[in-house]
Amino acid sequence: GQNIDQPTEMTATEGAIVQINCTYQTSGFNGLFWYQQHAGEAPTFLSYNVLDGLEEKGRFSSFLSRSKGYSYLLLKELQMKDSASYLCAAMDSNYQLIWGAGTKLIIKP
Amino acid sequence: GAGVSQSPSNKVTEKGKDVELRCDPISGHTALYWYRQSLGQGLEFLIYFQGNSAPDKSGLPSDRFSAERTGGSVSTLTIQRTQQEDSAVYLCASSLVGGDIDNYGYTFGSGTRLTVV
Repeated sequence: GQNIDQPTEMTATEGAIVQINCTYQTSGFNGLFWYQQHAGEAPTFLSYNVLDGLEEKGRFSSFLSRSKGYSYLLLKELQMKDSASYLCAAMDSNYQLIWGAGTKLIIKP
Repeated sequence: GAGVSQSPSNKVTEKGKDVELRCDPISGHTALYWYRQSLGQGLEFLIYFQGNSAPDKSGLPSDRFSAERTGGSVSTLTIQRTQQEDSAVYLCASSLVGGDIDNYGYTFGSGTRLTVV
């Protein structure tokens, strides 16, 4: 079956670094997406990885290992506005996204 | 349009009534998805339209739920005889499948918050 696993909740301190892990199993693979969802809002696109390695985009970076079925989202210099849920999603052979349940990130001052 | 548009943004309905939710995807996007999200929960897949292919209805929770996509553009999700457990945010997303892989990500609408009382 198809499955995405990520932690339910994480807590971090303002200014620090946090890594949100995601493991996936899909029928075929066409890339790994991370989305950010603030409470009461729709998810918004953060990153896309289809090749192994690290993609850096400002304070956010995303890593992919296809052989391990593993990705992580790295957030640096955390700000209070980064408090949100982070959704990991893998695209299967039909180009459909299989979604994780999301990781709620709580930032403390 | 510039983004995915959903209407209404909020809907309060009495138990047993029918409701229609509308989604207007990004122009040219061939794929359209409906999801449901209860408070504090993840995305629950409902239905997927891709071009002229038969829709994937595997996520619809009961036969009270149906959806159409007319002319490959606007979609309507209909819930008949609403129940209190139908209360949730209904999200629509569209994507471009078959083009540049970087465009395959979904763009979400702002959702319709449905409350059944």
